[in-house]
Amino acid sequence: EAGVAQSPRYKIIEKRQSVAFWCNPISGHATLYWYQQILGQGPKLLIQFQNNGVVDDSQLPKDRFSAERLKGVDSTLKIQPAKLEDSAVYLCASSLKQGTYTEAFFGQGTRLTVV
Amino acid sequence: AQSVAQPEDQVNVAEGNPLTVKCTYSVSGNPYLFWYVQYPNRGLQFLLKYITGDNLVKGSYGFEAEFNKSQTSFHLKKPSALVSDSALYFCAVRVPSSGGYQKVTFGTGTKLQVIP
Repeated sequence: EAGVAQSPRYKIIEKRQSVAFWCNPISGHATLYWYQQILGQGPKLLIQFQNNGVVDDSQLPKDRFSAERLKGVDSTLKIQPAKLEDSAVYLCASSLKQGTYTEAFFGQGTRLTVV
Repeated sequence: AQSVAQPEDQVNVAEGNPLTVKCTYSVSGNPYLFWYVQYPNRGLQFLLKYITGDNLVKGSYGFEAEFNKSQTSFHLKKPSALVSDSALYFCAVRVPSSGGYQKVTFGTGTKLQVIP
């Protein structure tokens, strides 16, 4: 079974530039999550999709972050414009569906450095 | 609001000795508890979960965890540590939210260092 795919693995940008991350979840997984993991901290949920609908984006800085999952499969997370404090690892995860107490499967993450 | 606490930033243990990584939680309602491990430059990997039933759950790589409702704890344990167990460990709690979906909260992580 293929895992969660993320790209790119690493990205370095200057502040005020824009950046986009891509995630392809495990086939058949209806729920997709984007997490931000700052060095030394636990993952913080940015946005959660159920199929192509957003179920939780309460911690997403909507003035600069956006995410979409148009066809209910792969997803993109965008930051525009980036700030220094956005430097972190961005993790994508997927799980079977809501209502089942299944674990999430994580991709390897994208390490973003904003300089 | 739900929360998870991992009181130790780092745990050091000698190879072959038993290890414990602590986790306590605070939720309103029945918690569903998870442990994940993160190796350097890798995503999180699922180790084990408690949903209901037996308070002692067994997971991958010889790890187990004990759910203690009265102490609101879910400590991760292994009888004999290996050097390869050295990694970052995250506890997570998942509860139904008012919106009808499952909300997951992660702890801040505990770095486990197994000393040869």
